[in-house]
Amino acid sequence: GAVVSQHPSWVICKSGTSVKIECRSLDFQATTMFWYRQFPKQSLMLMATSNEGSKATYEQGVEKDKFLINHASLTLSTLTVTSAHPEDSSFYICSAARDSNQPQHFGDGTRLSIL
Amino acid sequence: QKEVEQDPGPLSVPEGAIVSLNCTYSNSAFQYFMWYRQYSRKGPELLMYTYSSGNKEDGRFTAQVDKSSKYISLFIRDSQPSDSATYLCVLGGTDKLIFGTGTRLQVFP
Repeated sequence: GAVVSQHPSWVICKSGTSVKIECRSLDFQATTMFWYRQFPKQSLMLMATSNEGSKATYEQGVEKDKFLINHASLTLSTLTVTSAHPEDSSFYICSAARDSNQPQHFGDGTRLSIL
Repeated sequence: QKEVEQDPGPLSVPEGAIVSLNCTYSNSAFQYFMWYRQYSRKGPELLMYTYSSGNKEDGRFTAQVDKSSKYISLFIRDSQPSDSATYLCVLGGTDKLIFGTGTRLQVFP
């Protein structure tokens, strides 16, 4: 159990477009979902924490108007990168947890390339 | 001082070897400890999760926690080429998870 599906796995788009990434917990209900960014050969950097039905909590330095997070249900969270630019190119990974005291289960990530 | 220290490697071992991966941490507030495995271009996969000091075994994997020394380890017995990946120690119990930088392991046939 504890499968997290992330879609799409890879997206290439032009500068200025917006990109939506979906994160679903397939076999459990996730009170909390997390969005991370990972640069090559580096560890994960937490971008934001979202609880179902409430506004996401963003980490310092993460633009909330740039990275829109919606956690509308206990099994789905979305990250929208608005007006994406080449510097937004990265590997984005979501995770989900049953509650804040349970381990996080990660999706397989989305490789975003902005041309 | 970083909250958690992990040697980035790479660690290269022959197939069948026992692998020891380690992390040290500084904040005694951490209450639970996890090891994740991450293959290239994939998300991290939870391997081990423990609350208490001592050993926890699951197949070829053993997680060890020493809270008094603030030291955690992951042992892999009979290592296989398929174990080649980056291993992340992750600490929880404060307001957010703290990730080690990851140790890259290569097991050669």
